[in-house]
This record gives sequence, C-alpha cells and structure tokens, in this order.
Amino acid sequence: SQQGEEDPQALSIQEGENATMNCSYKTSINNLQWYRQNSGRGLVHLILIRSNEREKHSGRLRVTLDTSKKSSSLLITASRAADTASYFCATGNRDDKIIFGKGTRLHILP
Amino acid sequence: AAGVIQSPRHLIKEKRETATLKCYPIPRHDTVYWYQQGPGQDPQFLISFYEKMQSDKGSIPDRFSAQQFSDYHSELNMSSLELGDSALYFCASSPRGWGRRAENTGELFFGEGSRLTVL
Repeated sequence: SQQGEEDPQALSIQEGENATMNCSYKTSINNLQWYRQNSGRGLVHLILIRSNEREKHSGRLRVTLDTSKKSSSLLITASRAADTASYFCATGNRDDKIIFGKGTRLHILP
Repeated sequence: AAGVIQSPRHLIKEKRETATLKCYPIPRHDTVYWYQQGPGQDPQFLISFYEKMQSDKGSIPDRFSAQQFSDYHSELNMSSLELGDSALYFCASSPRGWGRRAENTGELFFGEGSRLTVL
C-alpha cells in the first residue's frame, strides 16, 4: 500500500489565491518531500522537510510536518497559471525506498 | 546542467515481447530508482540501486529485472509483456546513498520517462 495519501485529490482555485494540499502517511519517516508533475512529464522536486523539522519555506511554498499526526501540508501562495500540475508527497526512510502518495491535481483558473 | 537521461522516450511492443529501458543518471549520482506510473496513478516504486548493487525492491514483477552498470547507468528489462505493463517508466537519481551516509539530500532527480505501450 502507498505510504502517502494526498487530500484533496483535485483542487481548482482562482489565480492569485492560495492552494493548500495535505498528505498523510502511515509509518515512521526520515523525511517527507513534495514533487510537482506536469502532465506526462517527469517529477520535479520542490521541497524536503526532515522529521525533526516542523515548517519550511521556499519562495511561495510553505511546508509543514506534524509527525504526531503523520501528516504534512503544502501551501502555495499567490498561485499562478504555471502552478497547474499534479503535486505528490513522498516519504523517505533510511532505506532506498521513497514512496509516493496519490497526488493532488491542482488547476489554476485565470 | 546535465539531467537524467532516459531512452527510449516512447516504445511500442506486442504482448509477450520483451523491452529494455535505459537510464543515465546525473554524473556523480550513485543511486538510481525506477518507478512505474500508470495513467492517472501515482508513481509506484519498482527497484533501486546504490553503487551498482540492488538496494531496495518494491512492487517489481518477477518478469522484470534491472541492474546498474559500472558507469552507473541502469537498465530495466521487461519480459513477457502484458497489457497492464503499459505505463510511464521513470528513472530517478540522487547524489548520494540514501540513508547510508551522514548527510544526504534525499532529493530525487527524475528523467522525462519512457512511455511503454503494449498492444
């Protein structure tokens, strides 16, 4: 079974609004990562947060991690049309198995 | 900057045929991962290699095998292809052995994928 489960599965918002996506996982992790994927393309790494961190920022991205609830959220502020993509969380542990969740399809409306 | 190179980008095969996908990681990346992504699905972890040895295994069918060569490139071999094997196959590399060294980034760099269609 997959480690990460994204919520919501699909999200449509107006350009300029903020988008929040959530991810839950089941087992202990070393870190959690967020990736973006444009349709039919490779995944692009956005941000990584380690298990001992609670919040991390990168440009318009903010990631939080709550290890007690085994959940993470990705916030994209001031969304742009180019942010339209699928977003996946992925969990990593001390092995070489990085497991992806089911993804959120984000659509930014003009 | 050099990225992960995958070939071929597109491949069409008949059922029961074999296929080989190749992956050339970013220079000095010693870990390679293979993922399978069906339409509208999340990437499924198949297998990973660190320093030319298999480091972890996911949901890779017995009909599939993979290896990493001395130049760090990797090949995924798929035999007795089935319709359900039609998918995007991604290779990713990372700059150091995941979890095996004190400071690793954990960041995966993905190729653009190989689209396999089984007819």
